[in-house]
Amino acid sequence: QQQVKQSPQSLIVQKGGISIINCAYENTAFDYFPWYQQFPGKGPALLIAIRPDVSEKKEGRFTISFNKSAKQFSLHIMDSQPGDSATYFCAASPSGSRLTFGEGTQLTVNP
Amino acid sequence: ETGVTQTPRHLVMGMTNKKSLKCEQHLGHNAMYWYKQSAKKPLELMFVYNFKEQTENNSVPSRFSPECPNSSHLFLHLHTLQPEDSALYLCASSLGTGFNEKLFFGSGTQLSVL
Repeated sequence: QQQVKQSPQSLIVQKGGISIINCAYENTAFDYFPWYQQFPGKGPALLIAIRPDVSEKKEGRFTISFNKSAKQFSLHIMDSQPGDSATYFCAASPSGSRLTFGEGTQLTVNP
Repeated sequence: ETGVTQTPRHLVMGMTNKKSLKCEQHLGHNAMYWYKQSAKKPLELMFVYNFKEQTENNSVPSRFSPECPNSSHLFLHLHTLQPEDSALYLCASSLGTGFNEKLFFGSGTQLSVL
């Protein structure tokens, strides 16, 4: 119930393309959904987050889409750039509890 | 990187050694955390400290012993580790321990247990 399933495990996209990473959860008590970005040799850093009262949140080229009925949320990276190459983690937490992280997606954007 | 600093960056130790990981945050935060990151696995929360007091221990084996002398410093003392403890150990901090707090991570210590 506390798991967050993330896919794909790895993703290769051409420069300028759209990168899409998906996450699914079971616990309907989850009410906070952040995405973290981790570059090689660095710790994860918060990229963007959403709460279930909205279906979409956009920050620059990064968009979270949230489907409450399907218990799924996804990260879309528009106009992907080589500098976006990193590992992306989705996470979720229910009110009053800690974040549960997904397994991570290694994104490679080819020039 | 000056927000959350971890040392050493890499550590190789035998199963009978004793070593310590150090974390320092320069963000004025009150909460600090230890996470374990293994390849292709979700980040695992190990310990949470708030104002120097341990508030959470996620059933971590006693061979991992945390210490938080003040709100800016966090240590993880290691002894009699097992090869399966090899992983990246991440320290994080946040302003408070609210459950949706933004976490600021250090770059981690890559630990190899031989």
